[in-house]
Amino acid sequence: DGGITQSPKYLFRKEGQNVTLSCEQNLNHDAMYWYRQDPGQGLRLIYYSQIVNDFQKGDIAEGYSVSREKKESFPLTVTSAQKNPTAFYLCASSISGVETQYFGPGTRLLVL
Amino acid sequence: SQQGEEDPQALSIQEGENATMNCSYKTSINNLQWYRQNSGRGLVHLILIRSNEREKHSGRLRVTLDTSKKSSSLLITASRAADTASYFCATGGASGYSTLTFGKGTMLLVSP
Repeated sequence: DGGITQSPKYLFRKEGQNVTLSCEQNLNHDAMYWYRQDPGQGLRLIYYSQIVNDFQKGDIAEGYSVSREKKESFPLTVTSAQKNPTAFYLCASSISGVETQYFGPGTRLLVL
Repeated sequence: SQQGEEDPQALSIQEGENATMNCSYKTSINNLQWYRQNSGRGLVHLILIRSNEREKHSGRLRVTLDTSKKSSSLLITASRAADTASYFCATGGASGYSTLTFGKGTMLLVSP
């Protein structure tokens, strides 16, 4: 079965803690994305990667970091610098930037 | 950015009725896409229409695109309770490397 997986489904962060959200795809897509979704809102782009070992900031990159060491994997770290991290985080992949994106099931991050 | 804006923000109809959602955007596009999101889930791609197309069908879905007015509409015919979800339009830019920009969505409630 081809698709995108995200883990964990729920994640709790303590003050001052960095947490990492996992995203894996087996669709052989070059491009991968991280979005943040707040209640009743659309998706805002955090980071994207067009190819392995390369990534670019999106609209709201401050307080987040990513890596792209493998084609299949694009983990997102929410750092302690992100003061309002509570949100629903979605990972997606596509063949290229403007083509159809395939989404994972999402990770809900809550602050303790 | 060429953010799409959906209208209305929310729509409530009865089963069997048709549902129409609209999307407006600001700059030139390569394509426009519609996605559906069930509560607490990832987005699912519904349909993609390219800038040189005017209308596209997929099952009970009909999408139109008017590039002169920078607008698109999504029509769901003979709605079912299972169509209850949020619907987002996303635009892909026409120049350079571009990612998709999502609107804030239309929340559709279909009552039995």
